[in-house]
Amino acid sequence: GESVGLHLPTLSVQEGDNSIINCAYSNSASDYFIWYKQESGKGPQFIIDIRSNMDKRQGQRVTVLLNKTVKHLSLQIAATQPGDSAVYFCAEIPISGGSYIPTFGRGTSLIVHP
Amino acid sequence: NAGVTQTPKFRILKIGQSMTLQCAQDMNHNYMYWYRQDPGMGLKLIYYSVGAGITDKGEVPNGYNVSRSTTEDFPLRLELAAPSQTSVYFCASSREPRYNEQFFGPGTRLTVL
Repeated sequence: GESVGLHLPTLSVQEGDNSIINCAYSNSASDYFIWYKQESGKGPQFIIDIRSNMDKRQGQRVTVLLNKTVKHLSLQIAATQPGDSAVYFCAEIPISGGSYIPTFGRGTSLIVHP
Repeated sequence: NAGVTQTPKFRILKIGQSMTLQCAQDMNHNYMYWYRQDPGMGLKLIYYSVGAGITDKGEVPNGYNVSRSTTEDFPLRLELAAPSQTSVYFCASSREPRYNEQFFGPGTRLTVL
């Protein structure tokens, strides 16, 4: 089956820098995308989502960009802080079949150096 | 709200033993899910439920069973544990699957020796 993939398994940044985490998806039938943050020893937590009829959505310090032409999703974190260190997953939810079961990517580990 | 709770947090099983991983949510969500997460990998769906009395297989259901007798509870049963089932197990729930996030529990770390 089709799956979500991430370009970089690990991203190291300095505190205060902006971080960009990328995600490629292959299922053109997906119409909803979510970014989750998973801190060590904890379950994933919702960060931000975007529907396929949008190309950008902003939250507090985070922005998600969706490029349906190249099937690419990115998460931008502004002024990265040590507390942002975690694994970030993207998930795609297809509309085909009616089950709406998400497919998760492998995750990117973000390391923020003080 | 406690959200999604899971018990136990950790467990070590011997090969061939059985156990039940408990999951409960107090958000009145219809949809509940069980995932496993192997080191360095994404979440793989084991089973899911769209409401009390209704369950369906996910991507990796072999070796597991579930039941959903109430909206709140969604236990995962491991029969005849195998080393390949060593993993971290996450339960999640959502109000509706489309255009809604999933809320995850803290996970159960299971080791089968």
